[in-house]
Amino acid sequence: GAVVSQHPSWVICKSGTSVKIECRSLDFQATTMFWYRQFPKQSLMLMATSNEGSKATYEQGVEKDKFLINHASLTLSTLTVTSAHPEDSSFYICSARDLRIAGDTGELFFGEGSRLTVL
Amino acid sequence: GQNIDQPTEMTATEGAIVQINCTYQTSGFNGLFWYQQHAGEAPTFLSYNVLDGLEEKGRFSSFLSRSKGYSYLLLKELQMKDSASYLCAVMDSNYQLIWGAGTKLIIKP
Repeated sequence: GAVVSQHPSWVICKSGTSVKIECRSLDFQATTMFWYRQFPKQSLMLMATSNEGSKATYEQGVEKDKFLINHASLTLSTLTVTSAHPEDSSFYICSARDLRIAGDTGELFFGEGSRLTVL
Repeated sequence: GQNIDQPTEMTATEGAIVQINCTYQTSGFNGLFWYQQHAGEAPTFLSYNVLDGLEEKGRFSSFLSRSKGYSYLLLKELQMKDSASYLCAVMDSNYQLIWGAGTKLIIKP
């Protein structure tokens, strides 16, 4: 099946610094990538949807100036948490689809997730 | 509003069968997904239903009734490694996935 790689898996940073998380589709071209945040014992919360070459669409309540998303190529999307604070500590997961695939079932291919801890 | 309801937690015995229910109310319907998520890991795809009926895949089966807004995931011959959260998600008319909060399944020996 399709593989999505996310890096880094774990990151610890000081409050006020910025952290970049990468999401790569390794064996397919991802026209659309999704970024989720998941707090302990809670479900996935969609943060934003990004289509290659265009600006990301953010969900209500997600600050686009704080969570910068770039999807410059069909295989790479990045999420940058700017001026991170302890309340941003969470599990961030990306997923990808290729909407051009005929008969696309809508299955999402997930990255491994990145656990961010802000001290 | 849109919502997905599934039980918070279920307990079952190794070797037994368990059914995890999911009811939904969404604006439009373009399919229902079940994902498995082990603690600290990303979800993995289990099944996709868009037509009414039962889809069987090895030990796992998924059922859908669109008229009732209802689905279930059936797990047979439970193994300890099946201990995980099971997420129900519905794709609405805008092709957005609406996620349930997940059902934590605990398997006891």
